[in-house]
Amino acid sequence: GAGVSQTPSNKVTEKGKYVELRCDPISGHTALYWYRQSLGQGPEFLIYFQGTGAADDSGLPNDRFFAVRPEGSVSTLKIQRTERGDSAVYLCASSYTGVSPLHFGNGTRLTVT
Amino acid sequence: KQEVTQIPAALSVPEGENLVLNCSFTDSAIYNLQWFRQDPGKGLTSLLLIQSSQREQTSGRLNASLDKSSGRSTLYIAASQPGDSATYLCAVGGAYNQGGKLIFGQGTELSVKP
Repeated sequence: GAGVSQTPSNKVTEKGKYVELRCDPISGHTALYWYRQSLGQGPEFLIYFQGTGAADDSGLPNDRFFAVRPEGSVSTLKIQRTERGDSAVYLCASSYTGVSPLHFGNGTRLTVT
Repeated sequence: KQEVTQIPAALSVPEGENLVLNCSFTDSAIYNLQWFRQDPGKGLTSLLLIQSSQREQTSGRLNASLDKSSGRSTLYIAASQPGDSATYLCAVGGAYNQGGKLIFGQGTELSVKP
């Protein structure tokens, strides 16, 4: 596709449930990032992939959060035992290399009830 | 720990006015600085990227400056238009080859009135 695609655009789940958020980066982009944005705040870094490997996962808040990128393209952010505090917009971005400008998707709005 | 602050949090101006958005950061050891635009319910669109060795970048009616030593950047918008209404975010990158690991400010919400 022409841009970064994120699905679903909205996700409502109950506290304690498991969710998966998907990101399709721009074709050929080797670097992929996940960010989380709370209302009225700037995005916060979660994890960075270079190819298939997580080059930096220092932003993941705890071990309930996990992300994969098995073939170096599509990435999935997985959240176990969701909590109400996990409610936010989860943004994915990709870039051609780790030093190129980022291209962001429109995000997945996660609401935990 | 790097902290990025944007002032003001919100700004409302009449159409046609020139305006300046401010961004400050606490650690001058940055790799680059980017300005983004975010429309409601949308992702971020990159406007300008300034490498640490540069002082400014220009694109159309937009001009961004960088003063690393003082920890400041400004985004200048000339002849503002209602279509410029959006939230503007400043972000700094701290390391080579992790230019996308950014620390963001909280944004300035701009409203340009016709």
